[in-house]
Amino acid sequence: GAVVSQHPSWVICKSGTSVKIECRSLDFQATTMFWYRQFPKQSLMLMATSNEGSKATYEQGVEKDKFLINHASLTLSTLTVTSAHPEDSSFYICSATPGQGSGSYFGPGTRLTVT
Amino acid sequence: QKEVEQDPGPLSVPEGAIVSLNCTYSNSAFQYFMWYRQYSRKGPELLMYTYSSGNKEDGRFTAQVDKSSKYISLFIRDSQPSDSATYLCAMSADTDKLIFGTGTRLQVFP
Repeated sequence: GAVVSQHPSWVICKSGTSVKIECRSLDFQATTMFWYRQFPKQSLMLMATSNEGSKATYEQGVEKDKFLINHASLTLSTLTVTSAHPEDSSFYICSATPGQGSGSYFGPGTRLTVT
Repeated sequence: QKEVEQDPGPLSVPEGAIVSLNCTYSNSAFQYFMWYRQYSRKGPELLMYTYSSGNKEDGRFTAQVDKSSKYISLFIRDSQPSDSATYLCAMSADTDKLIFGTGTRLQVFP
């Protein structure tokens, strides 16, 4: 199957700082990637759709100025949590689809803890 | 009403049992259906991908889609303790944006 990686896998930061999370498709190109967050024992919540070469599309209720998304190439999307606060502590996961008829593949996730 | 409904469980079964996991949905435009397995603190792993109605088998896993009833199922045969995880159904109308169920926690005990 297709492989999606994320970096870092776990990050701890202080309140008020910014954190960047990378999502890479390792063996395929992805014009579209998706960013999710997941709270303990809950399902995935779609935050935004990352589009290569254009602006991201954010879901209702997600602050675009707080969660900056950059899809600079066909294999890399980044999510930057700006001015992080403890309530931003969560599990962030990205996904990408290799092509039509293949399903979506997820990265291993990034656990963010804001102290 | 949520677009996708899934019983959160937990579902506890003995090793070797046949497990049945189900989701219902309300949007008739959905035509791509997926099942994911998620272990604690890990990203979801794609288990099965199905387009439109029908059955699909892969090893111990069988996925069924009944679009007329808006009902999908995942069967796990000869369940193992290593199958203990949360199983998420997901579906979409256009192959990209997925709508997830809440996930069913499965525990297989030896």
